[in-house]
Amino acid sequence: NAGVTQTPKFQVLKTGQSMTLQCAQDMNHNSMYWYRQDPGMGLRLIYYSASEGTTDKGEVPNGYNVSRLNKREFSLRLESAAPSQTSVYFCASSDRQGLPTDTQYFGPGTRLTVL
Amino acid sequence: RKEVEQDPGPFNVPEGATVAFNCTYSNSASQSFFWYRQDCRKEPKLLMSVYSSGNEDGRFTAQLNRASQYISLLIRDSKLSDSATYLCAVINSSYKLIFGSGTRLLVRP
Repeated sequence: NAGVTQTPKFQVLKTGQSMTLQCAQDMNHNSMYWYRQDPGMGLRLIYYSASEGTTDKGEVPNGYNVSRLNKREFSLRLESAAPSQTSVYFCASSDRQGLPTDTQYFGPGTRLTVL
Repeated sequence: RKEVEQDPGPFNVPEGATVAFNCTYSNSASQSFFWYRQDCRKEPKLLMSVYSSGNEDGRFTAQLNRASQYISLLIRDSKLSDSATYLCAVINSSYKLIFGSGTRLLVRP
C-alpha cells in the first residue's frame, strides 16, 4: 500500500514549455486534490475532483488544467509554464468527497522550477 | 485578511519545554479543524483533528474556541524530533480545506 504517489519528484522547465504532473492513490479514495506550496503562503488549492468524472476549480486554477483519468489517477497539466508557477506541488486524496470530517493524505510532492 | 492565519515563528525552545501555537480563522461557518505536521521538504501529515471538546494525544493537546475563532496546539515535554512546521487547516463552509502558512518549531538540546 503506497498511499499517494507523485511523479516526477523534481522538474526544471523553461518558460513556455508544457508538462504533466502525475498522481495516483491506491486507497480507493473518492476525492483527489492538487495544491501548490510557496514560502510564507501555506498550501493553496489549485483543482480538486470530488469523485471520478468530476473536477472543480480551487483557489488558484489559472494556468493549470486537470484530468481525473480514473478513480486512482489525477493529473495536473501546465500548458505554458511561467516563472510564477515555480513551486512545490502536492497531490492529496480523501475518502469522503469533501465532507466536513474529511482527512486528506498527501503525496511526497513535485518540486518544479520554471526558468 | 487570510482565511486562516498563524504566527510563522520560529519558536525556539529547549528540550522538555511546553510550547503552544494558536491559529485563527475568519469564517465563522467553518466546519472542521486539523493540525498537520510538515517536516522540511516533506509532505504534510495529519497530526490530529480538533474537536469541540478538545482532545489529547500523548504529549499533544488541541483545543477549539468557536467564540473567538481560534484553535490551539499545546506540546508538552518537547523532543528534538518535534522540530517541524505545524500547519493548521480548516474546512470552510464550501467544504474546502484551507491551510494556514504554518508555524515553525525548533527544539534545541
